[in-house]
Amino acid sequence: KAGVTQTPRYLIKTRGQQVTLSCSPISGHRSVSWYQQTPGQGLQFLFEYFSETQRNKGNFPGRFSGRQFSNSRSEMNVSTLELGDSALYLCASSFTQGAGANVLTFGAGSRLTVL
Amino acid sequence: QQPVQSPQAVILREGEDAVINCSSSKALYSVHWYRQKHGEAPIFLMILLKGGEQKGHDKISASFNEKKQQSSLYLTASQLSYSGTYFCGTEIRTGANNLFFGTGTRLTVIP
Repeated sequence: KAGVTQTPRYLIKTRGQQVTLSCSPISGHRSVSWYQQTPGQGLQFLFEYFSETQRNKGNFPGRFSGRQFSNSRSEMNVSTLELGDSALYLCASSFTQGAGANVLTFGAGSRLTVL
Repeated sequence: QQPVQSPQAVILREGEDAVINCSSSKALYSVHWYRQKHGEAPIFLMILLKGGEQKGHDKISASFNEKKQQSSLYLTASQLSYSGTYFCGTEIRTGANNLFFGTGTRLTVIP
């Protein structure tokens, strides 16, 4: 069973540019969550998608957006990049969004460096 | 809504025990524990649910005090493979899938 796949693994951008990150969840998983990980801040929740709908959103500016496709693959976009956006962006998928605590399976992440 | 973890870092010798704590100011539905090794994805260790149900790893135990909104992860007879950063994630309503993670506890086990 393939795990959560994130692409690209590494990328370097300059301030003001935009970036799109992709996440392919485990087959059959319909919920995809995105997290930003920086030293000292831990994992900060960005948003969560289920069946192509954003169900939950963290406290990030509107420059951070995402979407989910009918095959559950998800993308997140960051526009007008700032130096502080440099981070590891982690995607996690889970089986359901229903009742009960759902185990998250994380991808290896996309490491973004903004110069 | 970010939970507070303590300690921030701990160094153990093989065979020693450790306790990692996680506390929240919000009423919790569940507490998750994950471990992340350097350069790798976080992996699931355990979920503790409101009401006492526990799902997780056979070699690691944890507790969840619903009244105090606190959880503790117990690592006994530590092994070198236990090294990594441990994160607790808290869920304030069922099925929300928006876990709020603490800043992590870096555990280093030395021979």
